[in-house]
Amino acid sequence: EAQVTQNPRYLITVTGKKLTVTCSQNMNHEYMSWYRQDPGLGLRQIYYSMNVEVTDKGDVPEGYKVSRKEKRNFPLILESPSPNQTSLYFCASSSQLARETQYFGPGTRLLVL
Amino acid sequence: AQSVSQHNHHVILSEAASLELGCNYSYGGTVNLFWYVQYPGQHLQLLLKYFSGDPLVKGIKGFEAEFIKSKFSFNLRKPSVQWSDTAEYFCAVRPLGGYQKVTFGTGTKLQVIP
Repeated sequence: EAQVTQNPRYLITVTGKKLTVTCSQNMNHEYMSWYRQDPGLGLRQIYYSMNVEVTDKGDVPEGYKVSRKEKRNFPLILESPSPNQTSLYFCASSSQLARETQYFGPGTRLLVL
Repeated sequence: AQSVSQHNHHVILSEAASLELGCNYSYGGTVNLFWYVQYPGQHLQLLLKYFSGDPLVKGIKGFEAEFIKSKFSFNLRKPSVQWSDTAEYFCAVRPLGGYQKVTFGTGTKLQVIP
């Protein structure tokens, strides 16, 4: 089954404790993105990647890092999480041939205390 | 940079009522337009998209949207809503040629009352 998976689905952490949210897709897609969803603000793009080792900042990249060492994986790293990063995070992927159709993961709900 | 406005934040309708959700965008060039739906507790799913051609686009579950270039609008419509349409709806825009630089609106929560 074609899908985008994220882990963990729920996470409670404390300020300053480094964490990684993993994202993996099994569709051999070139493009992958991370979004955060906040009430009243909709979805905002954090980072995106056009292919392996090619990443770029989205609209709200501050406080986040990404890497794309393998085509299927696109982890989101919070080196020193802060309470304003409490949010719902979505990973998405799409193919180069059909870039307009993004497949979204189930989301990761993060609470930073 | 592009932007998207969804003016209705929360809409409450009775079953069988007609629906129209507004979406306006700002961008100086050609764009692709999308509507996504997020059912409670689920991830986003693509409802419909516009790339070119016929400005009236039909999507899944009886939804349609009309692109009016002169108004920079891409409103979502459904003639008769069902309780199962209760969800949050997001309009999105992507400039042509952009590398997945998709901008989403703030979303409209639709609540359909049986």
